[in-house]
Amino acid sequence: QKEVEQDPGPLSVPEGAIVSLNCTYSNSAFQYFMWYRQYSRKGPELLMYTYSSGNKEDGRFTAQVDKSSKYISLFIRDSQPSDSATYLCALGHEGRRALTFGSGTRLQVQP
Amino acid sequence: EADIYQTPRYLVIGTGKKITLECSQTMGHDKMYWYQQDPGMELHLIHYSYGVNSTEKGDLSSESTVSRIRTEHFPLTLESARPSHTSQYLCASSEPFGAQRFFGPGTRLTVL
Repeated sequence: QKEVEQDPGPLSVPEGAIVSLNCTYSNSAFQYFMWYRQYSRKGPELLMYTYSSGNKEDGRFTAQVDKSSKYISLFIRDSQPSDSATYLCALGHEGRRALTFGSGTRLQVQP
Repeated sequence: EADIYQTPRYLVIGTGKKITLECSQTMGHDKMYWYQQDPGMELHLIHYSYGVNSTEKGDLSSESTVSRIRTEHFPLTLESARPSHTSQYLCASSEPFGAQRFFGPGTRLTVL
């Protein structure tokens, strides 16, 4: 069983929709949680980084962490065609040198 | 501008060839990483380095090798490429105590 599960999609939404992307994990040792965005043929770029339960907001993006349920989410408000990309969750803790990545969810925002 | 660079971006090569994928960063980071990414799959760490002359294998076994002679440079070498090496290779760096990885644009390798 994978430590981090992420629905691969593709997820297709109309422009302006609210998008919810999710990852579940099994290892309670994970301490910090990230969301990366990866455009086609590019490297991932960090969108959000949090290390506590609760919400963190940055513009149209909100990251939510529920450690008790081992569940993290990324919400995108007022989605734009430029948000079309693959979104990867990444989790880590002090005892492990490598981040554990989800397999990514491909999002398509239709104009 | 601080950034991380990878060359070539795309490489198509025949079986048995020796290849080197270049990675350079101007971020001033000591830690550098190589990840392998297949379509629809997770990124897997194949090599990492904490600094000059420090290299270790990652969680995913790889036939590639790396070197770290200069802080800013972390090349990856395949002595004899095989079709099973076809993949995207991503180089990354991070601050000494930071978890965030800064990624390069990747090299898409195809071995025929």
